[in-house]
Amino acid sequence: NAGVTQTPKFQVLKTGQSMTLQCAQDMNHEYMSWYRQDPGMGLRLIHYSVGAGITDQGEVPNGYNVSRSTTEDFPLRLLSAAPSQTSVYFCASKINRGQETQYFGPGTRLLVL
Amino acid sequence: AQKVTQAQTEISVVEKEDVTLDCVYETRDTTYYLFWYKQPPSGELVFLIRRNSFDEQNEISGRYSWNFQKSTSSFNFTITASQVVDSAVYFCALSEPNAGGTSYGKLTFGQGTILTVHP
Repeated sequence: NAGVTQTPKFQVLKTGQSMTLQCAQDMNHEYMSWYRQDPGMGLRLIHYSVGAGITDQGEVPNGYNVSRSTTEDFPLRLLSAAPSQTSVYFCASKINRGQETQYFGPGTRLLVL
Repeated sequence: AQKVTQAQTEISVVEKEDVTLDCVYETRDTTYYLFWYKQPPSGELVFLIRRNSFDEQNEISGRYSWNFQKSTSSFNFTITASQVVDSAVYFCALSEPNAGGTSYGKLTFGQGTILTVHP
């Protein structure tokens, strides 16, 4: 198993540009989520999904869209990037909606100029 | 709302010293899970341990040990005989249900403790 994979590893955007951060897992996990990591703030939940076709907002959803058309993929879309979205983004997955451990992808570092 | 506090922003030790990383949490849930993750300089997040709120037994795994005390809402992590490879950022996290209580997945993270082990 490749586990949780994320692409790209690093991206530079200009303010107002759009992009999609990709996340995929090959463990047949129902639950997937996106976090952002900012210095001194730990990680904060952006959006999550408990299964294909079901998504919901986390703590900091503004400026981000998600969809879950397949079990394997959970892309995160920035429609109009802002400098405040400069961060490291982590995708995570776990077996189902219970209290199981989440496993994280390697992260995507995003710089918005 | 749930909260996790890691009061130690940075810790610096010399190899072979023991070091304890503190984690204090707040929650109104009676059922919850606590986690520790390690983030080495390469940047990935590595799962270390999960503990549920009904299990207060301490756990030891090699040089790592965890002390969970519900009475003080703490879940501290000790590294015995630290090594340079232990240098990383360590995060404590608390799992909570969503607003409807239908799923568990939101992790509330502490700010992280940067551990530097010098040779």
